[in-house]
Amino acid sequence: DSGVTQTPKHLITATGQRVTLRCSPRSGDLSVYWYQQSLDQGLQFLIQYYNGEERAKGNILERFSAQQFPDLHSELNLSSLELGDSALYFCASSVGAGVYEQYFGPGTRLTVT
Amino acid sequence: EDQVTQSPEALRLQEGESSSLNCSYTVSGLRGLFWYRQDPGKGPEFLFTLYSAGEEKEKERLKATLTKKESFLHITAPKPEDSATYLCAVQPVNSGYSTLTFGKGTMLLVSP
Repeated sequence: DSGVTQTPKHLITATGQRVTLRCSPRSGDLSVYWYQQSLDQGLQFLIQYYNGEERAKGNILERFSAQQFPDLHSELNLSSLELGDSALYFCASSVGAGVYEQYFGPGTRLTVT
Repeated sequence: EDQVTQSPEALRLQEGESSSLNCSYTVSGLRGLFWYRQDPGKGPEFLFTLYSAGEEKEKERLKATLTKKESFLHITAPKPEDSATYLCAVQPVNSGYSTLTFGKGTMLLVSP
């Protein structure tokens, strides 16, 4: 158990809908990262927050957004969902915003039908 | 563009048969190289961080090494419980803070 929690574990929704994925980092970690993992693309970095502020953006679509709250938990919002958005979404956390190992949560499996 | 290539894509070993997984990387500069283990449907589990060429780290039957162009994950006398996908990731110098670029992984199956 990495100490990173994610909810929900599974999510099934229809195209065009909007969902919110939630992540709580390990105790004491200030950085939160979101990743998408699909069979053909592997693990892709989406976005990073550090102590409430956005720090880095990766291959995140404009339909996706995220935020980190004062209690350091983070939410990833996915809107206008398409079939291709079906994937595993992982949250990871680290102590700071430098060369620190990232600890991953168990993931949310999103299925768009 | 930063690239991470892992080989082989899949590897089947008999219990006790030692082998190595390869991670080749192309980055403008390397801050750190990370190895993770991922079981099906689970989140990646951190194994090692390597920072500079020549560095080695060990954990149980696993040993990770780093050169200027690649990293190896040596598995000595593997057991069936070592079966998993092993992911390599790099943190380039020019990346935003701690972002990681992952390879696609090597799927290891160890048969009893």
